[in-house]
Amino acid sequence: EVQLVESGGGVIQPGGSLRLSCAASGFTVFANYMSWVRLAPGKGLQWVSAISADDTTHYADSVKGRFTISRDNSKNTLYLQITSLTADDTAVYYCTREEYYFDRSGYRVPYYFDFWGQGTLVTVSS
Amino acid sequence: QTVVTQEPSLSVSPGGTVTLTCGLTSGSVFTNFYPSWYQKTPGQAPRTLIYNTNSRSSGVPDRFSGSILGTKAALTITGAQADDECHYYCVLHLGSGQRVFGGGTKLTVL
Repeated sequence: EVQLVESGGGVIQPGGSLRLSCAASGFTVFANYMSWVRLAPGKGLQWVSAISADDTTHYADSVKGRFTISRDNSKNTLYLQITSLTADDTAVYYCTREEYYFDRSGYRVPYYFDFWGQGTLVTVSS
Repeated sequence: QTVVTQEPSLSVSPGGTVTLTCGLTSGSVFTNFYPSWYQKTPGQAPRTLIYNTNSRSSGVPDRFSGSILGTKAALTITGAQADDECHYYCVLHLGSGQRVFGGGTKLTVL
């Protein structure tokens, strides 16, 4: 059974940093696309960052330069390092696996989020 | 910057049919944007409903269906039930690794 369990959220002061973790079971993170998605209070879901099986990373423009996605294959865990936090980063952060297919060139193409964790709350407040 | 658009709110009568749409501020939605749809209820993780335009995720009842209608992706709910009342989000893969959520539609069943 696929499971994703996030941790690491909490209350952090503006300008601070935090590392979120997502422990995966039932599959291997290194062989899959993984993403972080967040839900801020009163706002909609927002894709934040993704990492591919070949370690290519992508970020939403709003977090580029401040967030870093990574994984530890030995721990089967995904991470999100978030820095220079502002009130706009207050949100529940969800870890999600992305399903992919192989195109004609043998390239992995991600196309939807198939499994989700329960989320971890990050509150930026002084 | 291209934005993914959804109706902010819609309502449907119990047992009725409603269609939610997912468009672009610039251009049309095509199947190679891999439209997918997610259901979000308060306090719960998002639930995947539809992927690759019209494929239902495991366990999703066939009351939920996806399509392309004109220039937009669409999610149609038939036989609406009270517990369908929540937020619905679409996602488009717009290239260069960017996955973009629409703003979400709050569906009311009344």
